[in-house]
Amino acid sequence: AQSVTQPDIHITVSEGASLELRCNYSYGATPYLFWYVQSPGQGLQLLLKYFSGDTLVQGIKGFEAEFKRSQSSFNLRKPSVHWSDAAEYFCAVGPLYGGATNKLIFGTGTLLAVQP
Amino acid sequence: ETGVTQTPRHLVMGMTNKKSLKCEQHLGHNAMYWYKQSAKKPLELMFVYNFKEQTENNSVPSRFSPECPNSSHLFLHLHTLQPEDSALYLCASSQDGDRNNSPLHFGNGTRLTVT
Repeated sequence: AQSVTQPDIHITVSEGASLELRCNYSYGATPYLFWYVQSPGQGLQLLLKYFSGDTLVQGIKGFEAEFKRSQSSFNLRKPSVHWSDAAEYFCAVGPLYGGATNKLIFGTGTLLAVQP
Repeated sequence: ETGVTQTPRHLVMGMTNKKSLKCEQHLGHNAMYWYKQSAKKPLELMFVYNFKEQTENNSVPSRFSPECPNSSHLFLHLHTLQPEDSALYLCASSQDGDRNNSPLHFGNGTRLTVT
């Protein structure tokens, strides 16, 4: 079955500390991977995406993610967290080929809290 | 600032009411979507419209009725809802609904409470 797992429901980090949010997927086809962020009262904003090429992708707001095919993972990282990064983060996977009308599968999200 | 605008931001309705959610996108996209976001659950795709044609109805109950008069506007008509329908309803758009290299752009959602 196709699925996306974000094993950490809630993470708290100190401002300035590094961050890694985990995402594992189970997908039969070549995946197209995304990270979205949702601030309180807002919709989801695209942070970054990966579909081919360099397995380390850069996104907005200083985030990056690394695709590891052997581990079926696409973890999100940031070297130094800012208080404004407090939000909920969603990993999503979809088919790279096949024209499936953007049927992304989303994880349940990781809520990030940043303490001073 | 989002290129996808949803109104109202909040809606409280009784189970016998009829209301509509509105979504407008200013991005020139051809595909529009309704998602349901409930606490502790993954986003649920409800409906997809590509070039104004409905291409996906993800087994959504008939008390939810979408309407897409043009590529820029999407409505979700609600009637005789149940309390379990309370959730955040998100509208999204993308350049082309048949390609996954056109990411989704989301609105800020309508927080719906059914009493």
